[in-house]
Order: sequence, then C-alpha cells, then structure tokens
Amino acid sequence: SYELTQPLSVSVALGQTARITCGGNNIGSKNVHWYQQKPGQAPVLVIYRDSNRPSGIPERFSGSNSGNTATLTISRAQAGDEADYYCQVWDSSAYVFGTGTKVTVL
Amino acid sequence: EVQLVESGGGLVQPGGSLRLSCAASGFTFSSYWMSWVRQAPGKGLEWVANIKQDGSEKYYVDSVKGRFTISRDNAKNSLYLQMNSLRAEDTAVYYCARTSPGDYPFDYWGQGTLVTVSS
Repeated sequence: SYELTQPLSVSVALGQTARITCGGNNIGSKNVHWYQQKPGQAPVLVIYRDSNRPSGIPERFSGSNSGNTATLTISRAQAGDEADYYCQVWDSSAYVFGTGTKVTVL
Repeated sequence: EVQLVESGGGLVQPGGSLRLSCAASGFTFSSYWMSWVRQAPGKGLEWVANIKQDGSEKYYVDSVKGRFTISRDNAKNSLYLQMNSLRAEDTAVYYCARTSPGDYPFDYWGQGTLVTVSS
C-alpha cells in the first residue's frame, strides 16, 4: 500500500516561514491535499490539488509537489497556525493520509 | 453554509455494535459522495469508507471490511455507519466528510463523534 511520510514536528519562529514535507514514491504524479487540525477540532482543508487554496484560507499557505516530495509552506507564521498538518492523496481506489506533522510557532 | 453533524458515538463492549449518523445540510446531499474518516486517540487520520451518491457503490478500508456498513438516506440528508463486531482498535473519533473518489479532497468535515470500545 502507498505510504506518505511526514516529519513528526516542525518549529518556526513567529513571522518566519515553515515548510512541511510529505514524502511518497513518485508523489509528484499525484494530486496532494493538505489539512490543518487544531486540538479538539475537525480537520480543515487548506490546500487542494498541490497548490490551490480554498476560499477563506490565507495566501500565507501555499503548496508545491514534485518528484518524491510535496511541500506545504506557511509564510509569516502566526500563533494561530499552531496545529497538526496532514497530507493526503488518492491511490489504488483508497484515500491515504500522511503521518501528520505538529507545527509549533515559537 | 455546509454543515455535517455526527451522532451515535459512545462506549461499547468488544464484539458489540453501534450505528453512527451524520446529518447534512447546506448543500445538495444527493449530489456528493460521502465518507467516514476516523482518528484514534493521539493518532493520525484514517479513511474508513465511502459511498456513491445513489448508494450503488461502497468502498471500505481492509480493516473494517465485513464488519462495517456505510449507507445513506438522501430523502433525510443523512449518512450512516453501522459498526459490528467492534474491537478495541476501532476506538476513535469518527468524522463524516464530503468528497468524491479520485483526486478530490475532503472539503467539509463534521465535528466528529467518539466511539470507545472497552470492557
């Protein structure tokens, strides 16, 4: 089965840029979606199909995907961006989620 | 405004059954595939099952095949998950989510309902 690997944690200084990676075999050939989940809340879609932002998601969130790595970038990080982030793809007629990354804003 | 509201969670003994419900509003429910996604305590997200608009196609993660059944009632704008032969490893928050198969994201999620399987 297809696996998506994310770093367990990423720390970023307030106002700086955080990059969260999602590794998978030839993931660049797939569409990657990203979700933000704050404690006790449901996930929220922040990027779909590699680099598209849903309505209401700040421009500070961006995505890219190439080769074996997809990346979610959070620019000018704010305290409110502290959350778990999950990547997700569709593979072999199933939805696959990444292992999740906890982002801490220092 | 799209809303998905789950209910039916609770404490159940191993081997027992539970039926989850998800009430949808704010969109044309009968036009969308729907899914259940779960999250064990302190763990990541896991897709459980999905169902086509008219209920004619259903798919499950291997770990629940033969034990869980997804269904829907478009007249009531409701999604269901019948869970039988529950195991401790089924303990999780269960979310209903709107999506479609293929390269479509889960664009709306409910708030989740907690299922605890324990004696």
